[in-house]
Amino acid sequence: DQQVKQNSPSLSVQEGRISILNCDYTNSMFDYFLWYKKYPAEGPTFLISISSIKDKNEDGRFTVFLNKSAKHLSLHIVPSQPGDSAVYFCAASDPGGGATNKLIFGTGTLLAVQP
Amino acid sequence: DVKVTQSSRYLVKRTGEKVFLECVQDMDHENMFWYRQDPGLGLRLIYFSYDVKMKEKGDIPEGYSVSREKKERFSLILESASTNQTSMYLCASSLRDRGSPLHFGNGTRLTVT
Repeated sequence: DQQVKQNSPSLSVQEGRISILNCDYTNSMFDYFLWYKKYPAEGPTFLISISSIKDKNEDGRFTVFLNKSAKHLSLHIVPSQPGDSAVYFCAASDPGGGATNKLIFGTGTLLAVQP
Repeated sequence: DVKVTQSSRYLVKRTGEKVFLECVQDMDHENMFWYRQDPGLGLRLIYFSYDVKMKEKGDIPEGYSVSREKKERFSLILESASTNQTSMYLCASSLRDRGSPLHFGNGTRLTVT
């Protein structure tokens, strides 16, 4: 029972264009959402996060949008660069984790940015 | 800068062996986590610890145990390795606060033959 879903296993985008990565979730009690990037043979690295009390957060080329009514979030990368080619995971903070900071991850989307 | 170090990048073990995966973090983080990553399944939480000697089961704890005797070190133990435990194992640490990013090590690719 996947609580955090990334329905697109892969995405291909031209350099300079916008990349949009999507994520859906089922638990309306999730209070924080995070995006991670992972290169092969490396651990995931944190990109950007958003609290459930906001609907947008921006950091340079990366913007995350949260639509609570649709239980949907998206990561926009503008402009896309070849170095952005990686697997992207979305994650949600599990309220069932109590005071602890337990994250539930999606299955990932492989982004390929074509030069 | 947070550094999470996993002792081995690659391990090959035989079925039935006891396997220890070690993880050390240098940022005095309260929380530490063990995830495994498998194709098509994303990252799944095995165990986590929110304090020394404290541990809680994640989503897939069967066949694993953990040890946290010191704040900076979190060990994952496979009591009797099986082929279905062949995977990429990722250790992470974070501050206690909800929403704090997890900082990951580079992973240990374990193959059980």
